[in-house]
Amino acid sequence: DIQMTQSPSSLSASVGDRVTITCRASQSISSHLNWYLQKPGKAPKLLIYAASSLQSGVPSRFSGSGSGTDFTLTISSLQPEDFATYYCQQSYSTPMYTFGQGTKLEI
Amino acid sequence: QVQLVQSGAEVKKPGASVTVSCKASGYNFTIYGISWVRQAPGQGLEWMGWINPYNGNTKYAQKIEGRVTMTTDTSTGTAYMELRSLRTDDTAVFFCARDEWGTMAQGVMGWYDPWGQGTLVTVSS
Repeated sequence: DIQMTQSPSSLSASVGDRVTITCRASQSISSHLNWYLQKPGKAPKLLIYAASSLQSGVPSRFSGSGSGTDFTLTISSLQPEDFATYYCQQSYSTPMYTFGQGTKLEI
Repeated sequence: QVQLVQSGAEVKKPGASVTVSCKASGYNFTIYGISWVRQAPGQGLEWMGWINPYNGNTKYAQKIEGRVTMTTDTSTGTAYMELRSLRTDDTAVFFCARDEWGTMAQGVMGWYDPWGQGTLVTVSS
């Protein structure tokens, strides 16, 4: 199975900060990497698919990059509504799309 | 619009079974797979399995294979996930999600969108 490791597990930041979250795959997954945001009590929401494609309706302050085994999610200027937990997901091993352990972004 | 609506919260005793439903609307149900993901309290997202509504093919996580069955009813556009022999550590929110896919420069890529709202299953004696 492909293992996904996110870092950091938690992160403290302030409104307006630039934030980067990293995700590493245990083997090469090309660009088969997605990012989700989850708020407490809610379902995850797709932010980025195929490593760098912004989902429709997602603000442009979110961006993704990387390929192979190393990926990053960047939020260029944190807004109050961005404080949540972020998950990466590999979609290389069809149909078993596994997740990273999550990164909790806190004020 | 495309949406998945799940059944309501359940409380079960250890050893019992639970079935969670996920009703799709706004798209051709047989074109996209449905995956199930669970989230124990305070924990991350765990992939449980997948079903192809077109032909009924399934793939389950090794951890729960033998206790889980995923099915679909194409006449109503509904997916079902049954988990048997429940244990207290099965307490979780269960999500269904549509396996969206697209052909891109890098090839055929997949992601989950949308998700159901989640169903809390509590296993307690």
